[in-house]
Amino acid sequence: EVQLVQSGAEVKKPGESLRISCQGSGYSFMNNWISWVRQMPGKGLEWMGRIDPSDSYINYCPSFQGHVTISADKSINTVYLQWSSLKASDTAIYYCARHGLYSEILTGLDSWGQGTLVTVSS
Amino acid sequence: EIVLTQSPGTLSLSPGERATLSCRASQSVSLNYLAWYQQKPGQAPRLLIYGASSRATGIPDRFSGSGSGTDFTLTISRLEPEDFAVYFCQQYGSSPLTFGGGTKVEIK
Repeated sequence: EVQLVQSGAEVKKPGESLRISCQGSGYSFMNNWISWVRQMPGKGLEWMGRIDPSDSYINYCPSFQGHVTISADKSINTVYLQWSSLKASDTAIYYCARHGLYSEILTGLDSWGQGTLVTVSS
Repeated sequence: EIVLTQSPGTLSLSPGERATLSCRASQSVSLNYLAWYQQKPGQAPRLLIYGASSRATGIPDRFSGSGSGTDFTLTISRLEPEDFAVYFCQQYGSSPLTFGGGTKVEIK
């Protein structure tokens, strides 16, 4: 069974740094891109960027580039999302999601982590 | 960037009724790489449809997707109680990937 397990909820102050994680299991981790998706309270879904775990090639959404860093450690099947200086507006649920691939056809985000709630408040 | 506009914002229907959700793109979606997701309160989104019309694994056949280019539709043939949720469309054919604003299907 494909699973993406994310790290637990975080409460941080503005200006602090943070790294959250997403560990994949049940499939060949290097074969599928992983995306990060933000959902602010009561709002819709926003794509932040994606990483190819096989070579750590990253494609950021322009809206998020420069504010977050996506990385991967393929030795432990884990992808990370990192902030160097959090803002109150970063308060949201963050999901990781796997890009499905079937016979060289992309099949959407076919498996999602449970979400990590990040609260930034002074 | 491709902007996806979903309509209506809210759909009020009764169990057993047919739901028709629309997703319109500001430009043609490459390879019709358009997906639909369902999200219930407190849960992660779930993939329903990919490639505009292919059902994801385990998705009941009352869910169907259609369309191409810039106009796409998700149809739920007969609403079950568990189908009342928020539905998002997403294009994944070009970067940045983008989502629509969502349609809430609520019980009338």
